[in-house]
Formats: sequence, C-alpha cells, structure tokens
Amino acid sequence: KNEVEQSPQNLTAQEGEFITINCSYSVGISALHWLQQHPGGGIVSLFMLSSGKKKHGRLIATINIQEKHSSLHITASHPRDSAVYICAVRDMNRDDKIIFGKGTRLHILP
Amino acid sequence: EAQVTQNPRYLITVTGKKLTVTCSQNMNHEYMSWYRQDPGLGLRQIYYSMNVEVTDKGDVPEGYKVSRKEKRNFPLILESPSPNQTSLYFCASRMTVYTEAFFGQGTRLTVV
Repeated sequence: KNEVEQSPQNLTAQEGEFITINCSYSVGISALHWLQQHPGGGIVSLFMLSSGKKKHGRLIATINIQEKHSSLHITASHPRDSAVYICAVRDMNRDDKIIFGKGTRLHILP
Repeated sequence: EAQVTQNPRYLITVTGKKLTVTCSQNMNHEYMSWYRQDPGLGLRQIYYSMNVEVTDKGDVPEGYKVSRKEKRNFPLILESPSPNQTSLYFCASRMTVYTEAFFGQGTRLTVV
C-alpha cells in the first residue's frame, strides 16, 4: 500500500466547476505539500501546510492531521488549471524525507 | 530571480556513454535532491545532500552518482547509462528540510 494516496487519479471537469482533489497518508508527518506540474513538465510548489487551511487566489488547501487527510480545492476552475497535482508529505520519522503521491491529472474543458 | 537550473532539458544518449546532468540553485539552499519521475510510479528520490560534501542515497540510487563540492551545484552522474534509466529527472532545493522545495524544469533523458 502506498504511503500517500491521491484521489481521483484523473478528473475532467467543465470550466467554472468547483474542483476537489484528495490526499490521504499513512505516516506521521511534519508538513504536507501540494505541487502543480504543467504539461511542459515543470513542477511548482503551491502550498506547504502543517495544520488548518491556506488560500492563494482560487486555490485552497486544507489538512486534518488527526484523520491524515488533505484536500486541494480549486474554485471557478479554468482551462489553465489543467495540470497534474501532486501531494507530498514530509515523514517526521525518516528525517523529513519527502514521499510523493502519484498525482491527479486534471483537465478543465472550456 | 530565485531558481533551480537544470541542464540539459532534453538528452538522447546511447547505452554506456557517461553523462552528467547539472543542477544549480541561486538561493543559498543547504538541501538539494534528485528525483526521477516515471509513469505510474510518481517521483522517487535518487540522492540527496544536506550540505556541502554531505550526500546520501535515496530510494533508487543504483546506477547514479552525485557530488556536492559547492553549495550551489549538485550534478547527477550516470557512469554507464542503461535503457531503464530513461526517465524525467528533477533537481530540487530547499533552505532546510523544513521548508518549501523549489524544482528545476526537468531533464528528459532517453537511453537507447
């Protein structure tokens, strides 16, 4: 079983829809990252969080440490949001090693 | 501009021909690491370095070498590349293990 599981693996939605991507993990963590990878391949860090909620523009990330679960929400989705979204956790019991989920491929249709 | 720079972006090479992928960061970060990304497997750590002259193996180090002679540079060396090293490679850096990671643009390597 993977230590970081994301769902769904693939998601296609219409422009304007509210998007939710989920991440569950099984290890003790010191922080969780959400990353965005565009079709060109580059990876950008969206959020790093260890508790509560963070917001940046139309993106919102939440984490529930007790339930070992995080969600990434996109409001008023746009075709330019089409990308792979990757959840990654820092394993507090392994020198903060980063463990990555396999990613969620999001496609927003105009 | 704060960035992590990898070169080359694309490389096609033949089995056994030694190659180096360079990685440089301009943020004075202590922690650097190399990952490979393969379909269905996600990102896996190859090697990491917590500071100059300090390197350690990640999850998939076989067939790779690294060095950290200066803080800004962390090259990835494939002494004798094989087709199973065909992959998309990313270098990343962080100020410390507790902070946000910055990624290079990736190097798509094909070994034939």
